[in-house]
Amino acid sequence: AQTVTQSQPEMSVQEAETVTLSCTYDTSESDYYLFWYKQPPSRQMILVIRQEAYKQQNATENRFSVNFQKAAKSFSLKISDSQLGDAAMYFCAKGANQGAQKLVFGQGTRLTINP
Amino acid sequence: NAGVTQTPKFQVLKTGQSMTLQCAQDMNHEYMSWYRQDPGMGLRLIHYSVGAGITDQGEVPNGYNVSRSTTEDFPLRLLSAAPSQTSVYFCASSYGRGVSTEAFFGQGTRLTVV
Repeated sequence: AQTVTQSQPEMSVQEAETVTLSCTYDTSESDYYLFWYKQPPSRQMILVIRQEAYKQQNATENRFSVNFQKAAKSFSLKISDSQLGDAAMYFCAKGANQGAQKLVFGQGTRLTINP
Repeated sequence: NAGVTQTPKFQVLKTGQSMTLQCAQDMNHEYMSWYRQDPGMGLRLIHYSVGAGITDQGEVPNGYNVSRSTTEDFPLRLLSAAPSQTSVYFCASSYGRGVSTEAFFGQGTRLTVV
């Protein structure tokens, strides 16, 4: 069975600083998508960023970027200039069938932003 | 567009009762799925469907039934609720193989079985 592991149950960062959330995964596929989802207290699952495995260039979305190491099966999320609104649970996930199907999620990391 | 709509948002059941969680999407997505979220375990796949009339089991299917008679709807049935089914349930939808680069989630249903 495929697994996704987030080894940091909780992280905290000062407002305006940078924080990195870790994620590792296990797969035998060569082409797949990886995702970071944000879950604020409202419970809504919000896509933060996605990465195609066959693309070597790391994905970026404004203050959010990833460090994708395919050989090491590592997919970390970097949040720059942290804002109070970034406080949430963050889930790393891997999709099947070259897309967002049959997502396998990590356990989540609760991010706290200190003002 | 409403996206993915789940009802109800909250539900309390007694052990042994049955109920159906509703999920509807208006994006003409082929793929729909149900996940449950438990503390410290992330989201786990219960059942999924790749199109009308086609369903399959995910990681934790026991105690749940699904059917998909239309593209839009994918209800999840609990035939005899157990306390172990206390959880938050999410429905998600996406396009099919090779073109689905994002899963869209409903607002979730918090279910408590007493």
